[in-house]
Amino acid sequence: GENVEQHPSTLSVQEGDSAVIKCTYSDSASNYFPWYKQELGKRPQLIIDIRSNVGEKKDQRIAVTLNKTAKHFSLHITETQPEDSAVYFCASTGANSKLTFGKGITLSVRP
Amino acid sequence: ETGVTQSPTHLIKTRGQQVTLRCSSQSGHNTVSWYQQALGQGPQFIFQYYREEENGRGNFPPRFSGLQFPNYSSELNVNALELDDSALYLCASSRGGLAGEREQYFGPGTRLTVT
Repeated sequence: GENVEQHPSTLSVQEGDSAVIKCTYSDSASNYFPWYKQELGKRPQLIIDIRSNVGEKKDQRIAVTLNKTAKHFSLHITETQPEDSAVYFCASTGANSKLTFGKGITLSVRP
Repeated sequence: ETGVTQSPTHLIKTRGQQVTLRCSSQSGHNTVSWYQQALGQGPQFIFQYYREEENGRGNFPPRFSGLQFPNYSSELNVNALELDDSALYLCASSRGGLAGEREQYFGPGTRLTVT
């Protein structure tokens, strides 16, 4: 089945800097790649997604890039703010259309 | 916030008991997926329901079962509870049968503790 890995497991950045979170997937049939943000005690919140027919997508300070050949995709956050501190999960769909999540990365933005 | 709701918020059960968790999907969504999230881990896919039928299942034993109703709300039932079933149970709703290819919006979850 599909395997999604996230690196690193924790990331600390200074407020105003950029943060990049990387994920790899194993199933070449995967065609949808969402990113979720989960604050402590809250539900995962969909922040951006990308489909396999697109290489990059941007929404204000957040962007996602996809490299199908290398089977990896990345979340880019620019001008980080303290409220960006949370756990971020990447996910993908394999051939059976179920979402497989990575283990998550804890992003800390230092004021 | 999404329009997905779940009940109850918290639940404490004893090993061997049975539990039923409930989920109401967002308006216009006909597909519900259930996930188990252990502490410090990403959500793990349990199963998905589309048009009242199971439409895909993850690596969970048969004691995890579900239902979807004509109004697209859904239930997750777990029999013979084990200590390892302690987790946050999340449901997510989406449009269309191939929910994995479309945006899934999560409910707030039910925190289940098995003692």
